[in-house]
Amino acid sequence: AQKVTQAQTEISVVEKEDVTLDCVYETRDTTYYLFWYKQPPSGELVFLIRRNSFDEQNEISGRYSWNFQKSTSSFNFTITASQVVDSAVYFCALSPLGTGFQKLVFGTGTRLLVSP
Amino acid sequence: GAGVSQSPSNKVTEKGKDVELRCDPISGHTALYWYRQSLGQGLEFLIYFQGNSAPDKSGLPSDRFSAERTGGSVSTLTIQRTQQEDSAVYLCASSLSGGAEYEQYFGPGTRLTVT
Repeated sequence: AQKVTQAQTEISVVEKEDVTLDCVYETRDTTYYLFWYKQPPSGELVFLIRRNSFDEQNEISGRYSWNFQKSTSSFNFTITASQVVDSAVYFCALSPLGTGFQKLVFGTGTRLLVSP
Repeated sequence: GAGVSQSPSNKVTEKGKDVELRCDPISGHTALYWYRQSLGQGLEFLIYFQGNSAPDKSGLPSDRFSAERTGGSVSTLTIQRTQQEDSAVYLCASSLSGGAEYEQYFGPGTRLTVT
């Protein structure tokens, strides 16, 4: 069985603060993908990143960075110098490779509120 | 280009009635997914279509739920004899293909309220 846990229900920060969103996953599969999605108030889920279980390199994209640690089954997401536009619900998700398609299992999401 | 579109954006129905929700995927995308987002269950996978192959229905919560995809493009999710627990946002996504390496593009969702 697959499970994704996002223990932080809601985080409030002030603009320019750094913030880390935690994601812990459980899977018996040896190969899988991990994802982060953003859901702004408009409601559409926006893809942020996909990480293959073979690749533990950290990734940085502008103000966003991701830390994948297989040893602790975690895939944390850090926003540096947060902005008001970062306010959204962020979902971590897992897809095992054995199903033949991208069957996403989502965490419950973390609501990020960035105030000016 | 145009993204995934869904209609209606909002639907209010009485308990026991049938509803149909529509999804127009991105042109050229062969894979199509339906998800449900509710307060109680979070975001859950419902069904997956790939081209003309038989769909993966493993996420459908009951036999009141069904979906079809005509001509490998537009999809309709049907809920029969709606119940109050069916109230949720129903999201559709499409991707170039079904492989795990292809990004899913999501539509804005249909908010279903069963009274």
